[in-house]
Amino acid sequence: AQKITQTQPGMFVQEKEAVTLDCTYDTSDPSYGLFWYKQPSSGEMIFLIYQGSYDQQNATEGRYSLNFQKARKSANLVISASQLGDSAMYFCAMREGYGNNRLAFGKGNQVVVIP
Amino acid sequence: DAGVIQSPRHEVTEMGQEVTLRCKLISGHNSLFWYRQTMMRGLELLIYFNNNVPIDDSGMPEDRFSAKMPNASFSTLKIQPSEPRDSAVYFCASSLGIGDNTDTQYFGPGTRLTVL
Repeated sequence: AQKITQTQPGMFVQEKEAVTLDCTYDTSDPSYGLFWYKQPSSGEMIFLIYQGSYDQQNATEGRYSLNFQKARKSANLVISASQLGDSAMYFCAMREGYGNNRLAFGKGNQVVVIP
Repeated sequence: DAGVIQSPRHEVTEMGQEVTLRCKLISGHNSLFWYRQTMMRGLELLIYFNNNVPIDDSGMPEDRFSAKMPNASFSTLKIQPSEPRDSAVYFCASSLGIGDNTDTQYFGPGTRLTVL
């Protein structure tokens, strides 16, 4: 079964608007971490933000925030005030349990920011 | 601090040739991961090391692939002999290796391998 599901089709977003990227996950482990990475057309994978399963508050990093809904098992990424440089693929990933270094990645969401 | 360093950035080779990809971890990191990314299969974990020891190599496609960590800061991924289906982007990532869920993996720029 898929651990991480990202099913949105490619998205076009107007510059300066906010965009929400969906991510749902599947785990029975009470302890897990969720990560978002950005992959622009140049190819590198850039870490954006982390959310722990026991964190009481939604994670924020600059213009990035996580809408973490534990009961629904969703960890949506919100990018506020989109910029042209936000055009990229965005990957959601999860690590389960302690002592387990494996990350399960979703298939990614494509975002294109238009001026 | 320098990030994860990979070389070469691009490699074009002919089928049957040996290919060696190199990776230098972020200073102070103890875990090293090799990934492969293709359009068809997405991002796949090939192998990871903790403190120079291979922990999980279940993602290594076959015996043609091998990975080593000759020291704490450096790793190689070798493909011998290479085949056209090995064409992909190969990423190396490193993390502190503290084993809890906050342990973030930082990726290198990747090596784009084309096997003709």
